[in-house]
Amino acid sequence: AQSVTQLGSHVSVSEGALVLLRCNYSSSVPPYLFWYVQYPNQGLQLLLKYTSAATLVKGINGFEAEFKKSETSFHLTKPSAHMSDAAEYFCAVSVENTDKLIFGTGTRLQVFP
Amino acid sequence: EPEVTQTPSHQVTQMGQEVILRCVPISNHLYFYWYRQILGQKVEFLVSFYNNEISEKSEIFDDQFSVERPDGSNFTLKIRSTKLEDSAMYFCASSVGGDQPQHFGDGTRLSIL
Repeated sequence: AQSVTQLGSHVSVSEGALVLLRCNYSSSVPPYLFWYVQYPNQGLQLLLKYTSAATLVKGINGFEAEFKKSETSFHLTKPSAHMSDAAEYFCAVSVENTDKLIFGTGTRLQVFP
Repeated sequence: EPEVTQTPSHQVTQMGQEVILRCVPISNHLYFYWYRQILGQKVEFLVSFYNNEISEKSEIFDDQFSVERPDGSNFTLKIRSTKLEDSAMYFCASSVGGDQPQHFGDGTRLSIL
């Protein structure tokens, strides 16, 4: 069965600092991996996706994530945080024979001035 | 950019009553999904729908739940006899293909009294 684990339910950074949100997955077959962002009172917006092409995936708003099979990780990074990045971030996994998404518990990112 | 739209944004219903949540997926999308997020918990898959039939459903999606695409544009989730534990945010999603990213609506907050 597939699953994702997001370490750290809350992450706080200063504006301009590096953002690192952690995601580890468990899958017996090659996974598809996604990061979604949820702003208050809004739905889930796709940030980026990994579908077995390049291991370093660039997404919207300056975010990127690197697929590391040896570490079963897909951590999300951004070199310089902006106040507008404050939101909840969800890592999700799916596999080829099923299109349902399995989500992690989410990480709330706070950005301080 | 095309969006998935959900109505109503907030639904308050008495326990035992039927409720219908409505979604208009992106027009050229063929795969449709419902997820829910109980307050403070992770986003959970409920059901996927393709070619006018359910392709996969979770354990949560019991006989009290049903989905329908009545007119080629709307995609509805019906809960026949609501329970207190059905209180959650319900998200509709759609995608152009089963292996393509899912686009989410802003959700319907369902409150059961």
